[in-house]
Amino acid sequence: GAVVSQHPSRVICKSGTSVKIECRSLDFQATTMFWYRQFPKQSLMLMATSNEGSKATYEQGVEKDKFLINHASLTLSTLTVTSAHPEDSSFYICSARIRDSPYNSPLHFGNGTRLTVT
Amino acid sequence: KNQVEQSPQSLIILEGKNCTLQCNYTVSPFSNLRWYKQDTGRGPVSLTIMTFSENTKSNGRYTATLDADTKQSSLHITASQLSDSASYICVSKNYGQNFVFGPGTRLSVLP
Repeated sequence: GAVVSQHPSRVICKSGTSVKIECRSLDFQATTMFWYRQFPKQSLMLMATSNEGSKATYEQGVEKDKFLINHASLTLSTLTVTSAHPEDSSFYICSARIRDSPYNSPLHFGNGTRLTVT
Repeated sequence: KNQVEQSPQSLIILEGKNCTLQCNYTVSPFSNLRWYKQDTGRGPVSLTIMTFSENTKSNGRYTATLDADTKQSSLHITASQLSDSASYICVSKNYGQNFVFGPGTRLSVLP
């Protein structure tokens, strides 16, 4: 159980276009989802916390107008990279915690999206 | 400053051998300490979660320890297998939504 599906797994886009990444909790509800980016051989960097029905909370230095997050339901959060540039090329990962789960419950991660901007 | 450090940065061992990965954290107020395994190009998978009162926790061939006084944790892998090759990430959580990720240790298990 507790599967998080992330789509697409890979995407190549041209500079200036926008890309949408979906994160779905398949068999549980998630009030909160997290979005990360990961550069090669580095650990995950939290970009934003996505809350169902309200605005996302962005980490310092992350442009909210560039990385649009929508968490319209308890099972779906989307990250849209707007006007993508080559420096946005990275591995984007989402995670979710089961709704109302205890504080020491695990995070469940998607399998990531490899974004390449040409 | 909330921070998690891990050592070594990378490690190469032969199949069947044991190894221990280290994690130091400075997260306050401390809630719990987690170890994740991340295969290349995949999302992390939870191995163990330990709260303040837990000293050790096992998950198959993985055994994690926690010393909340010295703020150190270790992950011991017994009888390593080729499939253990991955990055191992130590994550500390405070009493809020804040997860602090370590840089990871990249383990390579060779035949």
